[in-house]
Amino acid sequence: SQTIHQWPATLVQPVGSPLSLECTVEGTSNPNLYWYRQAAGRGLQLLFYSVGIGQISSEVPQNLSASRPQDRQFILSSKKLLLSDSGFYLCAGDDIIAVQETQYFGPGTRLLVL
Amino acid sequence: AQSVTQLGSHVSVSEGALVLLRCNYSSSVPPYLFWYVQYPNQGLQLLLKYTSAATLVKGINGFEAEFKKSETSFHLTKPSAHMSDAAEYFCAVTPGTSYGKLTFGQGTILTVHP
Repeated sequence: SQTIHQWPATLVQPVGSPLSLECTVEGTSNPNLYWYRQAAGRGLQLLFYSVGIGQISSEVPQNLSASRPQDRQFILSSKKLLLSDSGFYLCAGDDIIAVQETQYFGPGTRLLVL
Repeated sequence: AQSVTQLGSHVSVSEGALVLLRCNYSSSVPPYLFWYVQYPNQGLQLLLKYTSAATLVKGINGFEAEFKKSETSFHLTKPSAHMSDAAEYFCAVTPGTSYGKLTFGQGTILTVHP
């Protein structure tokens, strides 16, 4: 099975500062990768997904961007953070090859923008 | 398009009592359905999934769910609650032809009293 790594685990950033959250995958090749955000008191919202290197689809307009420079690396970025960017960010990946049809989640990054 | 509604943002049960978490879905195509559990400050862990096989699905930690097409429901149950079941539970749906782009419900926080 695959394992999703995320870092940092927590992050406190001032408004207007840049952001870079990293997600790496091990145990599988060519996964579909996803970024979700969980805002306080709300469910999970899909932000971006990627089916391969350099291929990014955005689900909602926002202050964030994503990139996939390598097969097993998925990065979430912002040039200038807003207060509304605070939340819990989760990276996830499919493991279709394993025929388990399971989507695995990373441990998440808690971002607080002040 | 698909959507998920979880009835009850908070559910409280006594230890040993039946756990019932409700999930109703809407999907224009035959869906895949999932239940995930999230413990505080952690990522999501898959409890169980329905992918068009048996309608009664058994998952980890003694949980099970039944897919009822006529009721568009996928309620999660456990016969006897344990203190360790206290967590937030998410129901999610994806079109069977577009596996991975999960749409989540708002989540239900389960509290277990001694």
